[in-house]
Amino acid sequence: DSGVTQTPKHLITATGQRVTLRCSPRSGDLSVYWYQQSLDQGLQFLIQYYNGEERAKGNILERFSAQQFPDLHSELNLSSLELGDSALYFCASSVAGISGSPLHFGNGTRLTVT
Amino acid sequence: GQQLNQSPQSMFIQEGEDVSMNCTSSSIFNTWLWYKQDPGEGPVLLIALYKAGELTSNGRLTAQFGITRKDSFLNISASIPSDVGIYFCAGHSDSNYQLIWGAGTKLIIKP
Repeated sequence: DSGVTQTPKHLITATGQRVTLRCSPRSGDLSVYWYQQSLDQGLQFLIQYYNGEERAKGNILERFSAQQFPDLHSELNLSSLELGDSALYFCASSVAGISGSPLHFGNGTRLTVT
Repeated sequence: GQQLNQSPQSMFIQEGEDVSMNCTSSSIFNTWLWYKQDPGEGPVLLIALYKAGELTSNGRLTAQFGITRKDSFLNISASIPSDVGIYFCAGHSDSNYQLIWGAGTKLIIKP
């Protein structure tokens, strides 16, 4: 158990809808990262937060947004969903804001857009 | 941008065989991380390397940080069925803020 909690585990929704994915980092970790993994693909970095502030942005679409709250949990909001957004979305956390520090991943939210 | 070339893309092995995989980069890295992902789960950190030439073991797994700092290797000895999964390398360099990820090596055990 990595200590990173993601909810929900599965999400099925229709095109055009909006969903929110939630992540609680490991106790003591200040950084939260969001990754997208499409079927049989690698990990695509979306965005990083450190202690409530956005630290780095990757290949995140404008339809997607995220935030990290004072209690350090994070939410990833996906809107105007398209079929191609179907994927596993992982949250990871690390102690420091330095991106070279090891990440600890949750078990992901599987999003299916129909 | 920077890329990591991870090979092989997939491996079919017999139980009990040793396994080797590697990641290479065109630029210098100062951290190498190896992860394993089981189906439907998140990647789990196996080994972290921080120094050129470093050799680190975790049970039957051994990883090395290449002397040139442009590559890393992961070896698994005497593979067992629970070794199946996807192995990812990830590296960090001073010139790129985020971790760079390899595309993964899928390990499959032949029946």
